[in-house]
Amino acid sequence: QSVLTQPPSASGTPGQRVTISCSGSSSNIGSNYLFWYQQLPGTAPNLLISRNNQRPSGVPDRFSGSKSGTSASLAISGLRSEDEADYYCAAWDDRLSGPVFGGGTKLTVL
Amino acid sequence: QVQLQESGPGLVKPSQTLSLTCTVSGASISNGGYYWSWIRQHPGKGLEWIGYIYYSGSTHYNPSLKSRVTISVDTSRNQFSLKLNSVTAADTAVYFCAGLHVGTAMVDYWGQGTLVTVSS
Repeated sequence: QSVLTQPPSASGTPGQRVTISCSGSSSNIGSNYLFWYQQLPGTAPNLLISRNNQRPSGVPDRFSGSKSGTSASLAISGLRSEDEADYYCAAWDDRLSGPVFGGGTKLTVL
Repeated sequence: QVQLQESGPGLVKPSQTLSLTCTVSGASISNGGYYWSWIRQHPGKGLEWIGYIYYSGSTHYNPSLKSRVTISVDTSRNQFSLKLNSVTAADTAVYFCAGLHVGTAMVDYWGQGTLVTVSS
């Protein structure tokens, strides 16, 4: 059971906008940066959103992140087939003194 | 360009010790600034932090695994290692080594991951 809560799946058609939620607590999302990672099959996770809402260079502006209180969300607009992947949220947890992750959301592009 | 590479047996027998090493290139572990971490992913599941070590040798482990985990560092070889003892089938997973930025807690660097299967 993951510390951060994500829906197990999400889907959309090409061109649509989808959002993925991530819920935590005051010891993690509520007091630390939230990160989003994209993982393609058989590969390591790749940073998608840094420090709540910052896009690393090379990440398309179709991806955006937001955080409010103990929850966060990832939005993907103009959905493309190559966006089909698993998405994970992550944050530092002050009680654990370590990183915690969501269980992952499998995005399907219909 | 910083690269991390895991190495170690892909098959471990139940009750034995899982041992993996991560070799870091393109950055020096001794420079500080990162928690050198182990993270695992059970087949088809999410990510689980196992523990980390700082260049000084100080460690911190996930309480759920603390009794079975040891992480060590060899700064002369720019490597850090994981030992997980008394393994069971539940420890079958892809094991990633990673560099976690101390200031932001962002995983800046990931190894490619290595599948370790626990089976007799």
